[in-house]
Amino acid sequence: KNQVEQSPQSLIILEGKNCTLQCNYTVSPFSNLRWYKQDTGRGPVSLTIMTFSENTKSNGRYTATLDADTKQSSLHITASQLSDSASYICVVSALGPSGTYKYIFGTGTRLKVLA
Amino acid sequence: GEEVAQTPKHLVRGEGQKAKLYCAPIKGHSYVFWYQQVLKNEFKFLISFQNENVFDETGMPKERFSAKCLPNSPCSLEIQATKLEDSAVYFCASSQSGVGGGAGQPQHFGDGTRLSIL
Repeated sequence: KNQVEQSPQSLIILEGKNCTLQCNYTVSPFSNLRWYKQDTGRGPVSLTIMTFSENTKSNGRYTATLDADTKQSSLHITASQLSDSASYICVVSALGPSGTYKYIFGTGTRLKVLA
Repeated sequence: GEEVAQTPKHLVRGEGQKAKLYCAPIKGHSYVFWYQQVLKNEFKFLISFQNENVFDETGMPKERFSAKCLPNSPCSLEIQATKLEDSAVYFCASSQSGVGGGAGQPQHFGDGTRLSIL
């Protein structure tokens, strides 16, 4: 079964600290992996998109890594800010049983940054 | 517009009533997706459109759910005879490309419609 699992479920850090969020997937065949940020009460916003051939991609203080062999991705946040408090969702594109590609969503990691 | 606009923000219906949600995708985006998010958990795919054509409806509970994307009109998601379990936030997303091989384009999400069934 295609699955995307994220850890930890929730995380609390102090402002200015770094943190790393994990995403493991069992999706096959794999097309691309996306990280989204979802603020409370808002829709998700795209942070990065990576294909299987890319190892790392950055967007400001956000850096995503991908290891297609171990089927793991991470999102590293540098010098966290209060505005980083949000849910971070890992999404993998995979070929579904109907022959069309689908997005498989993880359950997210809730990050809280404290002053 | 430059943002996906979903209306209404909140919708309250009694069990058994009809609910209709609207989504205006970003101009120039050919693909529209509908998702259901229950209790801040994972997004459940419902249906996608390529322009006004249904692209993938494998996630739709067809007995009570229907959706349309007509030219020059907002897309809509309609739920007939609502049930308590339909209470969720319904998100619409649009994209320049569909789900497929390669990197593709990012999905742009609206802020959702919170549907409460009493």
